[in-house]
Amino acid sequence: AQSVTQLDSHVSVSEGTPVLLRCNYSSSYSPSLFWYVQHPNKGLQLLLKYTSAATLVKGINGFEAEFKKSETSFHLTKPSAHMSDAAEYFCVVSDLDTNAGKSTFGDGTTLTVKP
Amino acid sequence: DAGITQSPRYKITETGRQVTLMCHQTWSHSYMFWYRQDLGHGLRLIYYSAAADITDKGEVPDGYVVSRSKTENFPLTLESATRSQTSVYFCASSEPAGGLVIQYFGAGTRLSVL
Repeated sequence: AQSVTQLDSHVSVSEGTPVLLRCNYSSSYSPSLFWYVQHPNKGLQLLLKYTSAATLVKGINGFEAEFKKSETSFHLTKPSAHMSDAAEYFCVVSDLDTNAGKSTFGDGTTLTVKP
Repeated sequence: DAGITQSPRYKITETGRQVTLMCHQTWSHSYMFWYRQDLGHGLRLIYYSAAADITDKGEVPDGYVVSRSKTENFPLTLESATRSQTSVYFCASSEPAGGLVIQYFGAGTRLSVL
């Protein structure tokens, strides 16, 4: 069985300061991991993905995530927050081989960016 | 327009009524999914489909029915709507490649059951 835990339901940062959104996962096999972003009243957009290649993954809008197998973590970071980063972020785990393409979503982290 | 579209965007209905939410994708993706999004629960999978005429239950299928007679369409029907089905519903599609299942989401349907 696979599961995802987003450790913070809300994160608040000031504009220009670093962002850290934490995600731990559980999967029986080598998973694919994703971060999606959802702006208010919008659908979800893929930020980045990990697929067992490089452990440090770069995504859109300056976001990165590092896969740490020993810690079963896939935390999302950005060096400097922008007001437009305010949104809901979802960590997602997917195991194509054992779950027929189904994905498991974390409960989401709401990022607030203060001016 | 290319992409994945959901209709209607907003729907208000009464308990006991049948409601159908539409989802259409233009990529010919094999997989399609229906999720509901509620505060405190993230996205929960209702049903998914790996191909036309193949559907399977997700995490919260009770009270919902799906069909997939054509690859591009995946309607979700609430047979007798209940207040607990008030939610935002998202459709997604995916074409697995290289072991990846990247999902592309529609803009969502906000459903209120009174």
